[in-house]
Amino acid sequence: AQSVTQPDIHITVSEGASLELRCNYSYGATPYLFWYVQSPGQGLQLLLKYFSGDTLVQGIKGFEAEFKRSQSSFNLRKPSVHWSDAAEYFCAVVYYGGSQGNLIFGKGTKLSVKP
Amino acid sequence: DSGVTQTPKHLITATGQRVTLRCSPRSGDLSVYWYQQSLDQGLQFLIQYYNGEERAKGNILERFSAQQFPDLHSELNLSSLELGDSALYFCASSPRRADTQYFGPGTRLTVL
Repeated sequence: AQSVTQPDIHITVSEGASLELRCNYSYGATPYLFWYVQSPGQGLQLLLKYFSGDTLVQGIKGFEAEFKRSQSSFNLRKPSVHWSDAAEYFCAVVYYGGSQGNLIFGKGTKLSVKP
Repeated sequence: DSGVTQTPKHLITATGQRVTLRCSPRSGDLSVYWYQQSLDQGLQFLIQYYNGEERAKGNILERFSAQQFPDLHSELNLSSLELGDSALYFCASSPRRADTQYFGPGTRLTVL
């Protein structure tokens, strides 16, 4: 069955430090992959997506992610974290078996930023 | 702002009651998805509609139902509510299936 694993439940980084959030997926075909961010009490905002082509994708707010098929990973990175990046981050894959197209989400990684 | 709207933002009700959550997709999007977010289950897919027709069901309880109307807005009906139904309910829309989904702000349901 398709699944998404985010191994880190909670990560704390200092403001200005680099960030990498891990995501591994299990999927039989070429995946469509997404990262969403959820600020407290807010909805889900799309950060970036990978459908095909260049395996390094750029997103909003200075985030990027790299698709590595050999490792079944789609890790999210940011070179310098800002206090406003504190939020919960969700990795997701689209399940498009049959006529479906729903997202399968990981459990999320909560990011805290130290001043 | 994703362009997806959901009403109401908050809903507080009692066990056994029935509620209706409403979603308006982005202009031009034909697919609507409903998700439930709870602390113990995380984000789970409930049901998908495409241009008025049900396309897929996920972990949706029999007490829950949904529909998509000719103007493409969708409603999620939750009945015989239980304490465990308290959650954040999101609607998302996309132009087609397996495309980028844009999420609404959610409806927070509290069942007392």
